[in-house]
Amino acid sequence: AQSVSQHNHHVILSEAASLELGCNYSYGGTVNLFWYVQYPGQHLQLLLKYFSGDPLVKGIKGFEAEFIKSKFSFNLRKPSVQWSDTAEYFCAVNEGDTGTASKLTFGTGTRLQVTL
Amino acid sequence: EAQVTQNPRYLITVTGKKLTVTCSQNMNHEYMSWYRQDPGLGLRQIYYSMNVEVTDKGDVPEGYKVSRKEKRNFPLILESPSPNQTSLYFCASSLRLAGEQFFGPGTRLTVL
Repeated sequence: AQSVSQHNHHVILSEAASLELGCNYSYGGTVNLFWYVQYPGQHLQLLLKYFSGDPLVKGIKGFEAEFIKSKFSFNLRKPSVQWSDTAEYFCAVNEGDTGTASKLTFGTGTRLQVTL
Repeated sequence: EAQVTQNPRYLITVTGKKLTVTCSQNMNHEYMSWYRQDPGLGLRQIYYSMNVEVTDKGDVPEGYKVSRKEKRNFPLILESPSPNQTSLYFCASSLRLAGEQFFGPGTRLTVL
């Protein structure tokens, strides 16, 4: 079964620091990749997604992610975080070529805390 | 406004008392899912539906039922809730198989 690993469970950064959150998945075939964000008390929102094409994907709020197929990774980055980026971040993977409905496998999440 | 709605948002109940959490989407999406979110475990899929009258189990279906009689609605039913079903539940919908999912606001359920 597909698995998604987010090795950083809790990250604390100062404002303006750079961010990189790791995401690795196990499926060897075609995948669709997502990063979702959950701000405190809110529902999940899509940050960015990768289906095909340029492996460097840009999303909202200055976030980007790079798909490295050989490493089964889809790490999230932001050059300079803001206090408002404090949230929980989830990586999710969909097996794109198996037709298994809209099943997304989520990682366990990374809680990002940005201090002033 | 395109959205997924869930009701109730908060629910406290007792063991064994049947309950239903409703989910509705206004985007004409074919695919709908239910997830539960637990600390340290992320989101786990309970059930999903590819279309009206087509549902299937996700990763953690035990103790739950769903139905899809209309395209817009996908209720989650707990016939006999137990304390281990205390969790935060999210409904989601998507336009196609491998697409972005739109999430509802969540239902926080406590089973005493």
